Amino acid sequence: EPEVTQTPSHQVTQMGQEVILRCVPISNHLYFYWYRQILGQKVEFLVSFYNNEISEKSEIFDDQFSVERPDGSNFTLKIRSTKLEDSAMYFCASSYVRTDTQYFGPGTRLTVL
Amino acid sequence: QKEVEQNSGPLSVPEGAIASLNCTYSDRVSQSFFWYRQYSGKSPELIMSIYSNGDKEDGRFTAQLNKASQYVSLLIRDSQPSDSATYLCASPPGGAGSYQLTFGKGTKLSVIP
Repeated sequence: EPEVTQTPSHQVTQMGQEVILRCVPISNHLYFYWYRQILGQKVEFLVSFYNNEISEKSEIFDDQFSVERPDGSNFTLKIRSTKLEDSAMYFCASSYVRTDTQYFGPGTRLTVL
Repeated sequence: QKEVEQNSGPLSVPEGAIASLNCTYSDRVSQSFFWYRQYSGKSPELIMSIYSNGDKEDGRFTAQLNKASQYVSLLIRDSQPSDSATYLCASPPGGAGSYQLTFGKGTKLSVIP
């Protein structure tokens, strides 16, 4: 069964450093999403992406964040200058059409020291 | 601010019993609702989606939606220890164009052998 994959599974970085989290969505899906979950808190929407541009973004997704689909398979989330409060699980999700179920990847645990 | 509310639990049920998980939502025009299961440290895994008023059954799971009361529930029949997890209710906001999922905090279910 097709699934969303994410790398790395765990990323440790120093405050102020840039990180790139990678995702490979399900191959025939057209809509891509990033969510995050701080330990013990809700899953929160960050951004959605379709047709090589951002469809929606939340207040969390400020100028420090960017997304890119550099090739036909990868979808990346970049955090330019990480803060302690960026420590969280980051989940990539994809759906075939916008109204369809979103399928989540296994997540990347980001730890900012 | 669109909200999805869940009782955080924990909800403990004996093995073989029916577990009942509840969710209320504030956006009157929300049209679709999703139940995800999340094991500790893992990503959300879709259990069921429901779009119409009434019941929808899939194996041991039944989702119930009442749009007038802004209420959606998940029943798990013949609960098994492997069902022990946090159950997340999610919905995109109503209205045109937005399919970012808003999640509740989740209800932690423990099935006691």
